[in-house]
Amino acid sequence: EAGVAQSPRYKIIEKRQSVAFWCNPISGHATLYWYQQILGQGPKLLIQFQNNGVVDDSQLPKDRFSAERLKGVDSTLKIQPAKLEDSAVYLCASSHDPGMETQYFGPGTRLLVL
Amino acid sequence: AQTVTQSQPEMSVQEAETVTLSCTYDTSENNYYLFWYKQPPSRQMILVIRQEAYKQQNATENRFSVNFQKAAKSFSLKISDSQLGDTAMYFCAFITDKLIFGTGTRLQVFP
Repeated sequence: EAGVAQSPRYKIIEKRQSVAFWCNPISGHATLYWYQQILGQGPKLLIQFQNNGVVDDSQLPKDRFSAERLKGVDSTLKIQPAKLEDSAVYLCASSHDPGMETQYFGPGTRLLVL
Repeated sequence: AQTVTQSQPEMSVQEAETVTLSCTYDTSENNYYLFWYKQPPSRQMILVIRQEAYKQQNATENRFSVNFQKAAKSFSLKISDSQLGDTAMYFCAFITDKLIFGTGTRLQVFP
């Protein structure tokens, strides 16, 4: 079974530029998550989708971050404009169902904002 | 507030030895799941072991086992017969409505 796929793996941009990350969850997983992992910290949830609907986006900085999952499968996370403090690893995870199901993580996208 | 505390930022162990990583958490919920995830250097996070809070029996997965003390809100991970491939960041986490992670423990296994 293929795991969670993410691209790109690395991205370097200058502040105020925009950037987008892509995630393809495990086949059949209805729930998709985006996490931000700042160096030296554990991942923090940004947004959770159930199929193509948003379940929780309370921690998403909506003035600059946006995410979508239009067909209930792939998802994109966008930052516009980026700030220095957005430098982090962005992890995508998926689970078969919401709630207390085990989440499976992708390799992450490492973003550096200069 | 729901929190996870990993009080050991770094630990080291010699190959074939046993090491225990500590974790405490705080939640007012009675029903939750606990996890240990492993994140090797520059590689993706993978599930090591999972424990349902309603189960008294401690979970075991090959060389990995947990000591779950619900009343104390403690969830430690024991790695037996440590291997070089166990070198990684280890994150303790629990979930009620969302997955909450600790800050991690960096484990180095020496030959």
